[in-house]
Amino acid sequence: SQTIHQWPATLVQPVGSPLSLECTVEGTSNPNLYWYRQAAGRGLQLLFYSVGIGQISSEVPQNLSASRPQDRQFILSSKKLLLSDSGFYLCAWQVGYGYTFGSGTRLTVV
Amino acid sequence: GENVEQHPSTLSVQEGDSAVIKCTYSDSASNYFPWYKQELGKRPQLIIDIRSNVGEKKDQRIAVTLNKTAKHFSLHITETQPEDSAVYFCAASPTGGFKTIFGAGTRLFVKA
Repeated sequence: SQTIHQWPATLVQPVGSPLSLECTVEGTSNPNLYWYRQAAGRGLQLLFYSVGIGQISSEVPQNLSASRPQDRQFILSSKKLLLSDSGFYLCAWQVGYGYTFGSGTRLTVV
Repeated sequence: GENVEQHPSTLSVQEGDSAVIKCTYSDSASNYFPWYKQELGKRPQLIIDIRSNVGEKKDQRIAVTLNKTAKHFSLHITETQPEDSAVYFCAASPTGGFKTIFGAGTRLFVKA
């Protein structure tokens, strides 16, 4: 079956600390993968997308980066977190035309 | 790039009434328009979508309409129920779902 996993579910990190969020999908190959961020009470902002291994496109300049070391693995990283990085981070997998989202990571930068 | 505007930001209706959420998009090349429902603390889930080759689509109590000329599309929920309470996002994609851009969301409250 096709599933998407995202972890951790919750994270509290101090300003200036590094970040690594991971997303993996099962039951498919060569998927289009996305990272979105949802700030409190706001919409979904597209951060990165990837159409294949090592292929990353950034939609918003910021101190975040993404990597796709394996076909079904998508990682969101930061070397130094800012307060403004707080939010709900969602990995998404394009299934046909629509998206299946991961369960999300709620990141609080303190 | 694509920009999606969504209104209203908050909508409160009585149980049994209808709810309408409206969105506009900027890129005339957009050809796919999904709607997602996000319950509190949960992931967004696709509830209905429409492609640019049709003007209306219905699935039980929900329907979407699309006006390509005016570049706007709407979600209609009839006979609302308390479990319809959630945040609804409209979205648009110029390439069949690729790089989907979302609206800011509408928080719908259905009062029993």
